[in-house]
Amino acid sequence: EVQLVESGGGLVQPGGSLKLSCAASGFTFSGSSMHWVRQASGKGLEWVGRIRSKPKTYATAYGESVKGRFTISRDDSKNTAYLQMSSLKTEDTGVYYCTGRGNWNEFDYWGQGTLVSVSS
Amino acid sequence: EIVLTQSPGTLSLSPGERATLSCRPSQSISGSSLAWYQQKPGQAPRLLIYGASSRATGIPDRFSGSGSGTDFTLSISRLEPEDFAVYYCQQYGSSPETFGQGTKVEIK
Repeated sequence: EVQLVESGGGLVQPGGSLKLSCAASGFTFSGSSMHWVRQASGKGLEWVGRIRSKPKTYATAYGESVKGRFTISRDDSKNTAYLQMSSLKTEDTGVYYCTGRGNWNEFDYWGQGTLVSVSS
Repeated sequence: EIVLTQSPGTLSLSPGERATLSCRPSQSISGSSLAWYQQKPGQAPRLLIYGASSRATGIPDRFSGSGSGTDFTLSISRLEPEDFAVYYCQQYGSSPETFGQGTKVEIK
């Protein structure tokens, strides 16, 4: 059974930092790209960024609104992906999902999400 | 970045009817790199279609995707009660990846 479990969400003040984790099982984590997608309450989906697999040099890419503030990494030995968030803004508030995707998008597994609230 | 415009915003239909959802990118998408997702309240999105027209594993054949370039469509041949949800298109051919704003399919 495929599982992705996000953790690390919570309440943080504007300007603060937070690190999310995504523990994966049930599929070939090391061969998959890992993505983060967020969703503000009652709003649509926003792609945050991704990290590719080792054969693709662990290449990263980010959405415009988080570029320079967020960093995605992974540890294939632990089947875990990470999202380091810094200089957080109130508009970063939302549910953060991690997803594991096949090389041709033939699968895209999602976790249940973790809530990040940025507020003073 | 590529902007995806979905229409209509809301589609009111009865079970058994056909649903047709549109997704129009602001520029041509390379390699038909377009996906469709379904999201129900309180749940994570689920991949339905990838590569514009390929169904993901376990997706019923009443769901079909078509299109290329700047005009894509998701069709649901006969709506089942469990199909009433929000649908998003997503392009993954160019970075940054982007989602459409969603189409809500509601019971009429």
